Amino acid sequence: EAGVTQSPTHLIKTRGQQATLRCSPISGHTSVYWYQQALGLGLQFLLWYDEGEERNRGNFPPRFSGRQFPNYSSELNVNALELEDSALYLCASSLVVLAAYNEQFFGPGTRLTVL
Amino acid sequence: AQSVTQLDSQVPVFEEAPVELRCNYSSSVSVYLFWYVQYPNQGLQLLLKYLSGSTLVKGINGFEAEFNKSQTSFHLRKPSVHISDTAEYFCAVSDGSNYKLTFGKGTLLTVNP
Repeated sequence: EAGVTQSPTHLIKTRGQQATLRCSPISGHTSVYWYQQALGLGLQFLLWYDEGEERNRGNFPPRFSGRQFPNYSSELNVNALELEDSALYLCASSLVVLAAYNEQFFGPGTRLTVL
Repeated sequence: AQSVTQLDSQVPVFEEAPVELRCNYSSSVSVYLFWYVQYPNQGLQLLLKYLSGSTLVKGINGFEAEFNKSQTSFHLRKPSVHISDTAEYFCAVSDGSNYKLTFGKGTLLTVNP
């Protein structure tokens, strides 16, 4: 069974540009989560999508946004890039039906570098 | 609100030595606890999880962790480490609301020959 996949692996942008990151969940998983792993800050929760809807977001400005498609894949968009947006962006998916716990399966991440 | 504190940012050990990575959490409700491992330039892999039942949890690669509710701790242990265990380890907590994990800042385990 294929795991969570993310593309691209690396992305280099300049300040002010927009970045689009993509994630495909494990087959059958309906929830997708996005995390930012910036140097020295650990893993910070960004967004949660389930069944095509944004269910919750972390403490990030509105220029971080995304969507979930009917096939449950997801896209994270970061507008007006700033230097401090440089980080590893991790996507995870889970099967919401098993709601008793929240086991998330992570992808390999997209390394975003803002110059 | 939940929070996770990993008490050591770096832990250097020699090969075949035992290791303990410490994790404390705070939460006002019942929690589910996880340890993830991240090898260089890779995503996160689940090592083990505590959901309920026995407080001693065994995971992959010979790791185990003990849930201690009175001390709000979930320390990770391995009796004998290998060079290949060199990685960053993250403790995480979920209150079961199924929308996010709260992570600690990670502990870099370096196993030296």
